[in-house]
Parts: sequence; structure tokens; C-alpha cells
Amino acid sequence: KAGVTQTPRYLIKTRGQQVTLSCSPISGHRSVSWYQQTPGQGLQFLFEYFSETQRNKGNFPGRFSGRQFSNSRSEMNVSTLELGDSALYLCASSLGQGPNNEQFFGPGTRLTVL
Amino acid sequence: AQSVTQLGSHVSVSEGALVLLRCNYSSSVPPYLFWYVQYPNQGLQLLLKYTTGATLVKGINGFEAEFKKSETSFHLTKPSAHMSDAAEYFCAVSENSGYSTLTFGKGTMLLVSP
Repeated sequence: KAGVTQTPRYLIKTRGQQVTLSCSPISGHRSVSWYQQTPGQGLQFLFEYFSETQRNKGNFPGRFSGRQFSNSRSEMNVSTLELGDSALYLCASSLGQGPNNEQFFGPGTRLTVL
Repeated sequence: AQSVTQLGSHVSVSEGALVLLRCNYSSSVPPYLFWYVQYPNQGLQLLLKYTTGATLVKGINGFEAEFKKSETSFHLTKPSAHMSDAAEYFCAVSENSGYSTLTFGKGTMLLVSP
């Protein structure tokens, strides 16, 4: 069974640009969560989606947005990029919602903002 | 609000020595507790989790953790370190709120010397 896939793996953008990251969950998984990982702040929760609906949102500015499609694939978008947005963005999928459902993480997309 | 504190950003052990990684949490409700491992340029892999029941939890690769409610702790141990255990370890908490959202500690880098 294929794992969680994230594309692209690496991305370089300049300040002010926007970026879209993609996540394909494990087949059959309906819940997708996104996390930002930086050396200073560690792992911080961005969003959680289930059945195309955003179920929970972390404390990030409105420049960060996301969506989930009917096939459970998810995208996140960051507009007006700032230097501080440089991070590893991790996606995780699970069969259902709730902490009883093991989350499987993808390898991440490393975004560098110059 | 829930939070996780991991004592020690770096822990060094010799191969064959005991591994002890410390984690304390705060949560207003009985928590779900997790330990994840991250190898370089990879996503997170679940080592073990505590939900309810037995407070000593066994995970993969010989790791185990004990939930101590009175101490609000969930320390990770392994009797004998192996070189392949060198990685970054994250403790995480999730409230039984129906969401999958994880709150992570800052992580502990485990260094194993021959």
C-alpha cells in the first residue's frame, strides 16, 4: 500500500509569491492534517480536513488556506510569502477523525522563501 | 490549552546503554499520548501511543513508555540503544475531542555513539 505522498518535495520561492502544496493520502483515508515544522517553533498544527470539510484550524494567519477534494487529496496554499514561512510542511492522513485513528505522515515539502 | 514539554533538546548515549527521553504534558482532560520518531529528510513515524487502559505501553523497535497521571509524564525508554536509533523524537498529546489534532513537544535529538 502506498504511503502518503507530498509534492513537490522541495520548493524555492521569493517573498510576496504564493505557493500551493499537494498531499495525496493513503488510499481509503478520509482525514488529512497539515503541520508546519521549523527549527524555532517546532511542529505546529495548521488544518484538519475530513470529507472535504475543514474540521479544525491552528493559529495561523489567513494567508494560509487549504482544501480537500472528493478523493481526499488535499492542497494547502500560502499567499504573500514571508521569509518566516520557510519550513517543512508535513501532511498526515488517517482513516477517520479522532486520536484513535493512527496518523501516517508524508515525507514533507521543504519550502524555502528567499 | 494542552502543551507538551520535552526535557533536553539533545540526549547522548553509548550503544547498548539505556535510552530515556522525558516528556511532560498538560491537558484539561484525559489525554491521548504519542511518541513519534523522525529520521533525516523523512516524515514522522509512530512509535507508540497511550489511549486508555494499561499505563505501560510497548511500541516498535523495542521502545516503551509509561503513562504516569500523578506526574503528568509519558517518558520513553529503551533498554539498549542501537546506532539505528539515532533520530529526533517527538512527544505529542491529543485531547479526546473528536479531532485528530496533535500538539507536539519541541523534540529531542538522540545521539548514539559506538
